[in-house]
Amino acid sequence: DSGVTQTPKHLITATGQRVTLRCSPRSGDLSVYWYQQSLDQGLQFLIQYYNGEERAKGNILERFSAQQFPDLHSELNLSSLELGDSALYFCASSPRQGANYGYTFGSGTRLTVV
Amino acid sequence: GENVEQHPSTLSVQEGDSAVIKCTYSDSASNYFPWYKQELGKGPQLIIDIRSNVGEKKDQRIAVTLNKTAKHFSLHITETQPEDSAVYFCAAATNNAGNMLTFGGGTRLMVKP
Repeated sequence: DSGVTQTPKHLITATGQRVTLRCSPRSGDLSVYWYQQSLDQGLQFLIQYYNGEERAKGNILERFSAQQFPDLHSELNLSSLELGDSALYFCASSPRQGANYGYTFGSGTRLTVV
Repeated sequence: GENVEQHPSTLSVQEGDSAVIKCTYSDSASNYFPWYKQELGKGPQLIIDIRSNVGEKKDQRIAVTLNKTAKHFSLHITETQPEDSAVYFCAAATNNAGNMLTFGGGTRLMVKP
Protein backbone atom coordinates (compact mmCIF):
# COMPACT_ATOMS: atom_id res chain seq x y z
CA ASP A 1 0.00 0.00 0.00
CA SER A 2 1.59 3.24 -1.23
CA GLY A 3 -0.58 5.48 0.96
CA VAL A 4 -2.25 7.08 -2.06
CA THR A 5 -5.83 5.87 -2.38
CA GLN A 6 -7.75 5.94 -5.63
CA THR A 7 -11.40 5.02 -6.06
CA PRO A 8 -13.01 3.34 -7.81
CA LYS A 9 -10.53 0.74 -9.07
CA HIS A 10 -12.62 -0.05 -12.12
CA LEU A 11 -15.28 1.93 -13.93
CA ILE A 12 -17.30 0.97 -16.99
CA THR A 13 -19.52 3.59 -18.54
CA ALA A 14 -21.13 4.52 -21.83
CA THR A 15 -20.08 7.16 -24.32
CA GLY A 16 -21.41 10.62 -23.53
CA GLN A 17 -21.51 9.99 -19.80
CA ARG A 18 -19.68 11.77 -17.00
CA VAL A 19 -17.59 10.16 -14.27
CA THR A 20 -15.65 11.31 -11.23
CA LEU A 21 -12.40 9.73 -10.12
CA ARG A 22 -11.23 10.28 -6.57
CA CYS A 23 -7.78 10.45 -5.03
CA SER A 24 -6.64 10.77 -1.43
CA PRO A 25 -2.96 11.71 -1.21
CA ARG A 26 -0.44 10.19 1.16
CA SER A 27 -0.67 11.68 4.63
CA GLY A 28 1.23 14.98 4.76
CA ASP A 29 1.54 15.39 1.00
CA LEU A 30 0.21 18.67 -0.37
CA SER A 31 0.64 18.14 -4.13
CA VAL A 32 -1.58 15.93 -6.26
CA TYR A 33 -0.83 15.05 -9.87
CA TRP A 34 -3.12 13.29 -12.36
CA TYR A 35 -1.75 11.16 -15.18
CA GLN A 36 -3.41 9.21 -17.99
CA GLN A 37 -1.96 5.93 -19.24
CA SER A 38 -3.49 4.54 -22.42
CA LEU A 39 -2.95 0.95 -23.55
CA ASP A 40 0.73 0.25 -24.14
CA GLN A 41 1.55 3.91 -23.79
CA GLY A 42 3.43 6.03 -21.35
CA LEU A 43 2.22 8.33 -18.64
CA GLN A 44 0.72 11.58 -19.87
CA PHE A 45 0.53 14.42 -17.38
CA LEU A 46 -2.91 15.98 -17.02
CA ILE A 47 -2.92 18.44 -14.13
CA GLN A 48 -1.35 19.30 -10.78
CA TYR A 49 -2.79 20.82 -7.63
CA TYR A 50 -0.90 22.11 -4.62
CA ASN A 51 -2.70 22.83 -1.38
CA GLY A 52 -5.98 23.43 -3.16
CA GLU A 53 -4.70 25.50 -6.06
CA GLU A 54 -4.05 24.50 -9.66
CA ARG A 55 -0.29 24.70 -10.34
CA ALA A 56 0.36 23.14 -13.72
CA LYS A 57 -1.62 21.88 -16.66
CA GLY A 58 -0.59 19.32 -19.22
CA ASN A 59 -2.46 17.79 -22.12
CA ILE A 60 -5.81 17.86 -20.40
CA LEU A 61 -8.87 17.99 -22.59
CA GLU A 62 -11.47 20.71 -22.05
CA ARG A 63 -13.97 17.95 -21.27
CA PHE A 64 -11.84 17.05 -18.23
CA SER A 65 -11.58 19.09 -15.06
CA ALA A 66 -10.19 18.58 -11.59
CA GLN A 67 -10.11 20.13 -8.17
CA GLN A 68 -8.43 19.67 -4.81
CA PHE A 69 -10.50 20.09 -1.70
CA PRO A 70 -9.55 21.58 1.71
CA ASP A 71 -8.90 18.08 3.09
CA LEU A 72 -6.45 17.69 0.16
CA HIS A 73 -8.27 14.92 -1.63
CA SER A 74 -8.70 15.49 -5.34
CA GLU A 75 -11.29 14.61 -7.92
CA LEU A 76 -10.89 14.29 -11.68
CA ASN A 77 -14.10 14.82 -13.62
CA LEU A 78 -14.39 13.40 -17.12
CA SER A 79 -17.43 14.39 -19.17
CA SER A 80 -18.88 13.68 -22.61
CA LEU A 81 -16.85 10.50 -22.57
CA GLU A 82 -15.53 9.02 -25.79
CA LEU A 83 -14.19 5.56 -26.54
CA GLY A 84 -10.68 7.01 -26.70
CA ASP A 85 -10.90 8.11 -23.08
CA SER A 86 -10.60 4.48 -22.01
CA ALA A 87 -7.37 4.33 -20.04
CA LEU A 88 -5.77 3.95 -16.66
CA TYR A 89 -5.89 7.15 -14.65
CA PHE A 90 -3.27 7.55 -11.96
CA CYS A 91 -3.03 9.99 -9.15
CA ALA A 92 0.31 10.72 -7.50
CA SER A 93 1.18 12.86 -4.51
CA SER A 94 4.30 14.57 -3.25
CA PRO A 95 5.18 16.57 -0.14
CA ARG A 96 5.82 19.88 -1.84
CA GLN A 97 5.15 21.69 -5.11
CA GLY A 98 8.13 20.53 -7.07
CA ALA A 99 8.30 17.16 -8.80
CA ASN A 100 11.82 16.57 -7.54
CA TYR A 101 10.67 15.71 -4.04
CA GLY A 102 9.44 12.37 -5.31
CA TYR A 103 6.07 11.11 -6.38
CA THR A 104 4.04 8.33 -4.80
CA PHE A 105 1.49 6.80 -7.13
CA GLY A 106 -1.84 5.23 -6.34
CA SER A 107 -2.92 1.97 -7.92
CA GLY A 108 -5.04 3.73 -10.51
CA THR A 109 -8.59 3.72 -11.82
CA ARG A 110 -9.22 1.69 -14.97
CA LEU A 111 -11.86 3.46 -17.04
CA THR A 112 -13.58 1.60 -19.84
CA VAL A 113 -15.91 3.56 -22.11
CA VAL A 114 -18.26 1.39 -24.16
CA GLY B 1 8.96 21.75 -22.48
CA GLU B 2 10.89 18.69 -21.48
CA ASN B 3 10.98 15.64 -23.75
CA VAL B 4 12.23 12.27 -22.52
CA GLU B 5 12.99 9.39 -24.85
CA GLN B 6 13.53 5.85 -23.59
CA HIS B 7 15.10 2.80 -25.27
CA PRO B 8 14.53 -0.02 -25.82
CA SER B 9 10.76 -0.36 -25.68
CA THR B 10 11.08 -4.08 -24.92
CA LEU B 11 13.98 -6.03 -23.47
CA SER B 12 14.24 -9.75 -22.92
CA VAL B 13 17.10 -11.19 -20.87
CA GLN B 14 17.98 -14.51 -19.31
CA GLU B 15 17.79 -14.79 -15.55
CA GLY B 16 21.13 -13.78 -14.07
CA ASP B 17 22.09 -11.50 -16.95
CA SER B 18 22.27 -7.72 -16.75
CA ALA B 19 19.72 -5.31 -18.21
CA VAL B 20 20.35 -1.72 -19.29
CA ILE B 21 17.69 0.87 -20.13
CA LYS B 22 18.68 4.24 -21.54
CA CYS B 23 16.95 7.61 -21.55
CA THR B 24 17.73 11.00 -23.03
CA TYR B 25 16.23 14.32 -22.04
CA SER B 26 16.03 17.65 -23.77
CA ASP B 27 15.87 20.32 -21.06
CA SER B 28 19.32 21.13 -19.70
CA ALA B 29 17.64 22.63 -16.61
CA SER B 30 16.37 19.19 -15.54
CA ASN B 31 18.08 18.10 -12.35
CA TYR B 32 16.07 15.20 -10.96
CA PHE B 33 15.84 11.79 -12.63
CA PRO B 34 13.75 9.04 -11.02
CA TRP B 35 13.07 5.55 -12.26
CA TYR B 36 9.78 3.78 -11.70
CA LYS B 37 8.80 0.12 -11.92
CA GLN B 38 5.23 -0.75 -12.85
CA GLU B 39 4.02 -4.28 -12.29
CA LEU B 40 0.89 -5.57 -13.94
CA GLY B 41 -2.23 -4.03 -12.46
CA LYS B 42 -0.33 -1.69 -10.15
CA GLY B 43 0.76 1.91 -10.07
CA PRO B 44 4.37 2.92 -10.82
CA GLN B 45 6.70 2.56 -7.87
CA LEU B 46 9.87 4.59 -7.37
CA ILE B 47 12.90 2.28 -7.35
CA ILE B 48 15.82 4.71 -7.54
CA ASP B 49 16.49 8.33 -8.34
CA ILE B 50 19.48 10.55 -9.02
CA ARG B 51 20.05 14.27 -8.85
CA SER B 52 22.21 16.24 -11.21
CA ASN B 53 25.02 16.80 -8.72
CA VAL B 54 25.74 13.05 -8.72
CA GLY B 55 27.06 10.91 -11.58
CA GLU B 56 26.11 7.48 -10.27
CA LYS B 57 23.98 5.94 -7.58
CA LYS B 58 23.68 2.32 -6.53
CA ASP B 59 21.15 0.35 -4.49
CA GLN B 60 21.91 -3.36 -4.30
CA ARG B 61 21.38 -4.78 -7.81
CA ILE B 62 20.17 -1.49 -9.26
CA ALA B 63 22.32 1.43 -10.38
CA VAL B 64 21.67 4.62 -12.27
CA THR B 65 24.21 6.73 -14.14
CA LEU B 66 23.84 10.29 -15.35
CA ASN B 67 25.76 12.12 -18.05
CA LYS B 68 24.69 15.77 -17.86
CA THR B 69 26.81 16.84 -20.81
CA ALA B 70 25.20 14.32 -23.13
CA LYS B 71 21.82 14.66 -21.38
CA HIS B 72 21.32 10.98 -20.91
CA PHE B 73 20.86 8.63 -17.98
CA SER B 74 20.66 4.88 -17.68
CA LEU B 75 19.29 2.19 -15.39
CA HIS B 76 21.40 -0.90 -14.83
CA ILE B 77 19.99 -4.04 -13.24
CA THR B 78 22.49 -6.81 -12.47
CA GLU B 79 21.78 -10.48 -11.73
CA THR B 80 18.24 -10.16 -13.02
CA GLN B 81 15.51 -12.28 -11.48
CA PRO B 82 12.03 -13.20 -12.79
CA GLU B 83 10.48 -10.76 -10.32
CA ASP B 84 12.32 -7.94 -12.10
CA SER B 85 9.92 -8.46 -15.03
CA ALA B 86 7.84 -5.28 -15.29
CA VAL B 87 7.57 -2.02 -17.21
CA TYR B 88 10.22 0.52 -16.25
CA PHE B 89 9.80 4.25 -16.75
CA CYS B 90 12.45 6.94 -16.58
CA ALA B 91 11.48 10.54 -15.87
CA ALA B 92 12.98 14.00 -15.60
CA ALA B 93 12.07 17.20 -13.78
CA THR B 94 13.47 20.57 -12.86
CA ASN B 95 13.23 22.06 -9.40
CA ASN B 96 10.76 24.73 -10.46
CA ALA B 97 7.73 25.07 -8.28
CA GLY B 98 4.71 23.51 -9.90
CA ASN B 99 6.83 21.46 -12.25
CA MET B 100 5.83 17.92 -13.09
CA LEU B 101 7.69 14.76 -14.00
CA THR B 102 7.99 14.07 -17.71
CA PHE B 103 8.11 10.34 -18.35
CA GLY B 104 9.78 8.29 -21.02
CA GLY B 105 7.67 5.85 -23.04
CA GLY B 106 8.54 2.85 -20.88
CA THR B 107 10.53 -0.37 -21.32
CA ARG B 108 8.91 -3.76 -20.90
CA LEU B 109 11.56 -5.98 -19.30
CA MET B 110 11.07 -9.75 -19.46
CA VAL B 111 13.41 -11.97 -17.46
CA LYS B 112 13.29 -15.56 -18.65
CA PRO B 113 13.97 -18.22 -16.01
